[in-house]
This record gives sequence, structure tokens and C-alpha cells, in this order.
Amino acid sequence: DAGVIQSPRHEVTEMGQEVTLRCKPISGHDYLFWYRQTMMRGLELLIYFNNNVPIDDSGMPEDRFSAKMPNASFSTLKIQPSEPRDSAVYFCASSRDDGELFFGEGSRLTVL
Amino acid sequence: KQEVTQIPAALSVPEGENLVLNCSFTDSAIYNLQWFRQDPGKGLTSLLLIQSSQREQTSGRLNASLDKSSGRSTLYIAASQPGDSATYLCAVTTAGGSYIPTFGRGTSLIVHP
Repeated sequence: DAGVIQSPRHEVTEMGQEVTLRCKPISGHDYLFWYRQTMMRGLELLIYFNNNVPIDDSGMPEDRFSAKMPNASFSTLKIQPSEPRDSAVYFCASSRDDGELFFGEGSRLTVL
Repeated sequence: KQEVTQIPAALSVPEGENLVLNCSFTDSAIYNLQWFRQDPGKGLTSLLLIQSSQREQTSGRLNASLDKSSGRSTLYIAASQPGDSATYLCAVTTAGGSYIPTFGRGTSLIVHP
């Protein structure tokens, strides 16, 4: 299996622009997680899905952030409008019922 | 709310030493505990997963133990090598509630030749 695949790997954008991050989980994994990592806060869970249904989005910082999972093999995290404080590395991870998490390589976002 | 602490935050050792990295958690009702390695600019790589019913897991030079009653896990690295240099994170998934892994801040390890 190719593992969790994220795109883009790097994104540089200007404040106010829309950003869309993409994730393809490992086939057969029922859980999908979106995390954000910064030096200040470490790894923060933003939202997670079970069988394509959002279960807990309490970590989503504000209404500018939204996430979707239209099918078992694809999820998006959207920021609109983006702000400089959104600059971070965004990770997607997936797991089966045993709870072993597998991470993608991350999307490094820089908002100028 | 589960809280996960990793001590020390940073560690620098000479090659060949045996190491112990610590992870402590506040709620002992856990579903599992997982150790990861993160290289600079990379994602997290799963090293070991310990289910609640298990006491330890081993993979090569790595051994992770779990003591739920004391709220602790240790990652033992035998005969450390420069290639082991990375940040090591533990994540604890609490049982009975939301299926949310809580991460520690990690231990940054440097093994020098």
C-alpha cells in the first residue's frame, strides 16, 4: 500500500486566499484524522471522521476552516480566507479499528 | 481530559548508549498507546503500538512498555546509532470516550558519533 497521501506538499499563498489540502487515506481504514503541527502548540487534532462521517470537529479553530470526506478514499481541508497565523504543517492520518495511526508526509502551508 | 507528558524534551547522547524515553499520561483508562518517530520536515512514522491489554511490544532494537496503573510508558532504544536521531512522540487514545489520540510534545534525540 502507498500509505497516506497528501497534497500539496508545500503551499505558499497570500492572506485572504483560499487553501485546499487533500488527503487519500490507506485503503480499508475507517478513521481519518486532520492534525496541525506548530512549534508553539505541537500536534493539534482539528477533526476526525469515521466511515466518512465527521465525528468530532471541536479542534477546528474557527469557521474559516472546513473539512469534507465525500468518499472513503478522499478528504479535503479548506481554509477560506487564509491568515498568516494559519501557517503550519497540516497532517492527515488514518487508522483501522485497532487504532494504529498512519500519517502522511504533511502539507506545509505558509500564508504571507 | 487526557494529558500526555514526555520527559526529557531533548536528549543528546554518544553512539552506543542504551536509552530510555518516558511518556506519562493522566487518565489510565486507555485504549492504546503508540510511539512515533518524526524526522525533520517529515511525517510521523509508527514505531510501536501497545494495546490496553498488553504490557510491552518489541521491534528490533526498540522495546516499549506500558504500565497503566502508574500512567507510564517507556521506549527503550538499545545500542543507539546516529540514525536514531529524531523526535520521538507518544500518543494515548483514551477508552470509553471520543476516539481521539492525545499526543505528547515529544523528545528530541540526538545521537552523536
